[in-house]
Amino acid sequence: DTEVTQTPKHLVMGMTNKKSLKCEQHMGHRAMYWYKQKAKKPPELMFVYSYEKLSINESVPSRFSPECPNSSLLNLHLHALQPEDSALYLCASSQEDRGTDTQYFGPGTRLTVL
Amino acid sequence: GQQLNQSPQSMFIQEGEDVSMNCTSSSIFNTWLWYKQDPGEGPVLLIALYKAGELTSNGRLTAQFGITRKDSFLNISASIPSDVGIYFCAGQTGANNLFFGTGTRLTVIP
Repeated sequence: DTEVTQTPKHLVMGMTNKKSLKCEQHMGHRAMYWYKQKAKKPPELMFVYSYEKLSINESVPSRFSPECPNSSLLNLHLHALQPEDSALYLCASSQEDRGTDTQYFGPGTRLTVL
Repeated sequence: GQQLNQSPQSMFIQEGEDVSMNCTSSSIFNTWLWYKQDPGEGPVLLIALYKAGELTSNGRLTAQFGITRKDSFLNISASIPSDVGIYFCAGQTGANNLFFGTGTRLTVIP
């Protein structure tokens, strides 16, 4: 089983709203990732969690706040977003964060900020 | 960040034809991966390559890890309509950072 699930599938929010994206995997993976993907572009890394600790933050604005409550769950809390933050947000996981560990992606959350 | 150049940018082919796409980088990678992404979905892993020179097949797909560790290609034989999508190469460094290519958009004409 190489399944990563994400909820919701679609999300529309205003610039003053607070919302959260959720990601879950039950493969026993200890590394989890958030990516942002704009239309017709490749995914761009936002955050990496390794053993539930934040290990990489790719200079992401503070209006995006990740959280890893346990080894199976990864959240992305959103607050005061801008319309240009509209994108497909992808979660991924891998066994660990070693160079040979393959990342498996979830289906993504399509976010629209009005 | 690392720059991976993927070509061609897009392809229109007849059903049944073979397809070839490649990815080059100025940097060395430890792992090369090929993903396929359908509209509105996440990338799905097709093939993972872990060793320079490695040639790996997955059904009608064949991919190779270049000897210089700076390039990789993907071939699809006897294309079918469900092969339509965007194909991304990705190179991976020791820190498990994944760097994606620019993508190849494949259209298969029945």
